[in-house]
Amino acid sequence: AQSVTQPDIHITVSEGASLELRCNYSYGATPYLFWYVQSPGQGLQLLLKYFSGDTLVQGIKGFEAEFKRSQSSFNLRKPSVHWSDAAEYFCAVGNQAGTALIFGKGTTLSVSS
Amino acid sequence: GAVVSQHPSWVICKSGTSVKIECRSLDFQATTMFWYRQFPKQSLMLMATSNEGSKATYEQGVEKDKFLINHASLTLSTLTVTSAHPEDSSFYICSASLPGGVHEQYFGPGTRLTVT
Repeated sequence: AQSVTQPDIHITVSEGASLELRCNYSYGATPYLFWYVQSPGQGLQLLLKYFSGDTLVQGIKGFEAEFKRSQSSFNLRKPSVHWSDAAEYFCAVGNQAGTALIFGKGTTLSVSS
Repeated sequence: GAVVSQHPSWVICKSGTSVKIECRSLDFQATTMFWYRQFPKQSLMLMATSNEGSKATYEQGVEKDKFLINHASLTLSTLTVTSAHPEDSSFYICSASLPGGVHEQYFGPGTRLTVT
């Protein structure tokens, strides 16, 4: 079955500390992977995406993610978290046909001062 | 570029009434639009896939007679919640993909529906 797992429901990080949000996927075809961020009551903003090529992808707001096929993972990282990064983060997988995305359950990021 | 809007952003309606939510691609033509539903503190669940000029494809468990989807043009898809009930209260989000099967989707800001 196709699925996305985000093992961490809630993470708290100190401002300025590094961050890693985990994402594992199960997908029958070549995966197209995405990370989105959602602030309360808002829509989704694309942070970054991976289709092919370099397995380390850079996104907006200083985020990056690394695709590891052997581990079926696409973890999101940021070297130094800012208070404004507090939000809900969703990992999603799609395919080249542009069909609907499958989302993980999300990870809530809190940033402490 | 690739902006998707939704209207209204927030709506309250009485139980038994119908409410229409619009999803527009502002600067591109979207042959395919998707409708998702999000419960509080939950992930997005796909409700249906909407292709311009054809009937929407609903996911299993989604009542197509209750959630009417119309994709009459390349820039507009509408979701009508008919005979709304309190359990229909949710956050509804649409997304659109570019023509040609491009893999990326562009999401609207969402519509908060509250049924009283």
